[in-house]
Amino acid sequence: DAKTTQPPSMDCAEGRAANLPCNHSTISGNEYVYWYRQIHSQGPQYIIHGLKNNETNEMASLIITEDRKSSTLILPHATLRDTAVYYCIVRVVAAGNKLTFGGGTRVLVKP
Amino acid sequence: DVKVTQSSRYLVKRTGEKVFLECVQDMDHENMFWYRQDPGLGLRLIYFSYDVKMKEKGDIPEGYSVSREKKERFSLILESASTNQTSMYLCASRTGQGGTQPQHFGDGTRLSIL
Repeated sequence: DAKTTQPPSMDCAEGRAANLPCNHSTISGNEYVYWYRQIHSQGPQYIIHGLKNNETNEMASLIITEDRKSSTLILPHATLRDTAVYYCIVRVVAAGNKLTFGGGTRVLVKP
Repeated sequence: DVKVTQSSRYLVKRTGEKVFLECVQDMDHENMFWYRQDPGLGLRLIYFSYDVKMKEKGDIPEGYSVSREKKERFSLILESASTNQTSMYLCASRTGQGGTQPQHFGDGTRLSIL
C-alpha cells in the first residue's frame, strides 16, 4: 500500500468548510483513496473513497488530483461533532485486505 | 446504515483468564476482522474471516483465537489473558461483493488485563 502524508493537526471554525489534504505521491494505478475518521473513544468511521474521479456523499467530498498524487477531503460545513482524527489511506482493494492507519490529522472544530 | 456491535465497551479481566470478545454485524457481510489499536502502533490486524467457519491469521495472532460459527458473529478469544493484551479491540465487517467496499467498524472494546 502506498504511503500517505497528512498534516498532524488543523483547526477549523464551526460552520466553515474544512479542507484536509493528503499526499500519496507513490500511489499506483490500482490503489484507491479511502478516508476514515475516529472520534475520541469510538471506532473508526468510514467517510468516503475514490479512485480518480471526485466523489461526494452526505458526509463529505473527495477531490483527487489528475495525477492522483494527492487528494483533499472537504467537510462542507464543519460542526463541533466533526472534531476527530482523520485518516487518509491508500490501498489495493482485495478481500481480507487489512487497513493500516498512519498518524492522521487531528482536526479541532472551534465555535 | 451498517451496524457493527461489540458486546462490551469496557472490560476488566485478570491475568490468565480466558476472555471472549463478541462482535455482531447486521448487514450480511461475508468478511469480518479483529484489530487492536494501541497508541503509537496504530491499527494491527489480529485475525479475519472470509466466511462462516473460515479464518485467516493477521499480523499479530499469537495469544488469540477466533470463532465464526454464524455469518453475523465473529468472536475473539484470548486463551490466557496477559497484561500486554491490554488494548482497544476493534471489530470490522465488509461485504465480499465488490472489492472496493469499505470496512465498517464497531465502537470498540477497551480491555484492561490486571
